[in-house]
Amino acid sequence: NAGVMQNPRHLVRRRGQEARLRCSPMKGHSHVYWYRQLPEEGLKFMVYLQKENIIDESGMPKERFSAEFPKEGPSILRIQQVVRGDSAAYFCASSPLDGDPYEQYFGPGTRLTVT
Amino acid sequence: DQQVKQNSPSLSVQEGRISILNCDYTNSMFDYFLWYKKYPAEGPTFLISISSIKDKNEDGRFTVFLNKSAKHLSLHIVPSQPGDSAVYFCAASAPGNKLTFGGGTRVLVKP
Repeated sequence: NAGVMQNPRHLVRRRGQEARLRCSPMKGHSHVYWYRQLPEEGLKFMVYLQKENIIDESGMPKERFSAEFPKEGPSILRIQQVVRGDSAAYFCASSPLDGDPYEQYFGPGTRLTVT
Repeated sequence: DQQVKQNSPSLSVQEGRISILNCDYTNSMFDYFLWYKKYPAEGPTFLISISSIKDKNEDGRFTVFLNKSAKHLSLHIVPSQPGDSAVYFCAASAPGNKLTFGGGTRVLVKP
């Protein structure tokens, strides 16, 4: 049973470009969460999605950031017009529909570097 | 507004001894607490959790203690092993599923 998959693992973008980060949850998991970790800090919640629904986006910056989890395919975190402050590790986590939603399983992360 | 705090950024312990990691929280709505372990360039790995209705949960070498009145939890690792060297994050959840993380404690277990 494959774990949470994220790609790319590393992404370099110039200021003003768009970044697309993808996340495939564990098999049987229908809850997806995105977290961001700035250097030397803990993870900060960004958004919680279920298939075709955004459940909680209270941690998402108001502009330039969007997320989706379509009926088919991976969840996508999209950052438009990236700035240097967006450089961070972005982690996706998933949890099962049935069972304990608090026990979230994390992917390896995407390290975004904005030059 | 740091709702979950890990006040010790690092901890060094001898192999075979006990590691004690501490975590404090401020939000009384938190009802579930978790510990994650993280190696460099990897995602956090779930270690152990505890519900607010309990005060202790044990899993092998790992035990988590919760003191609700003090809004404090701790993770004990006994005995510590070199492979335990990693960053440990405390996390808390209120109804709604999202996790609030502490800043992490870097543990170094010396052989």
